[in-house]
Amino acid sequence: EAGVVQSPRYKIIEKKQPVAFWCNPISGHNTLYWYLQNLGQGPELLIRYENEEAVDDSQLPKDRFSAERLKGVDSTLKIQPAELGDSAVYLCASSLLYNEQFFGPGTRLTVL
Amino acid sequence: ILNVEQSPQSLHVQEGDSTNFTCSFPSSNFYALHWYRWETAKSPEALFVMTLNGDEKKKGRISATLNTKEGYSYLYIKGSQPEDSATYLCASAGGTSYGKLTFGQGTILTVHP
Repeated sequence: EAGVVQSPRYKIIEKKQPVAFWCNPISGHNTLYWYLQNLGQGPELLIRYENEEAVDDSQLPKDRFSAERLKGVDSTLKIQPAELGDSAVYLCASSLLYNEQFFGPGTRLTVL
Repeated sequence: ILNVEQSPQSLHVQEGDSTNFTCSFPSSNFYALHWYRWETAKSPEALFVMTLNGDEKKKGRISATLNTKEGYSYLYIKGSQPEDSATYLCASAGGTSYGKLTFGQGTILTVHP
């Protein structure tokens, strides 16, 4: 069974540029999560989807971050414009309802 | 305890040593405690999901215990091997949202040959 797929794995951009990350969850998993992991810290939830509905986006900085999960399958997380402090690893995870979460390898973003 | 806290932050051991880490979490509104292993450039891998007070789980040389009343979990690695080198994360599910995991900052384990 294929795991959670994320792309790109690495991204380097200059500040003020836009960037987008893509996630394809495990087939059949209705719940999808985006996490942000800063160096030396644990992952922090940005947004959680149940099917195509964002049920928890309280930690998503809505002035520059946006996310979508059209058709309740794959998802895109966007930052526009990126700032230096956005340099981090962006993790996607999926689960069947509230069961065990399976993670992708993450996208490491560097903003110069 | 309001947050999930892990100790130590990093650990260096020699091959063959046994080691353990601690995860402290809020004991109120507890639902589950997750342990993950995260190797560099790979996906975080689930080790254990624990829900009951007194739970003990084992996977090869790795085991974990859970105390929900006092809000802590221990992860043990017996006879550490270089391939055990990774960041070990614990995460608590609970509070008002069972689906939300609150992670600790992780323990970075390095096993020297």
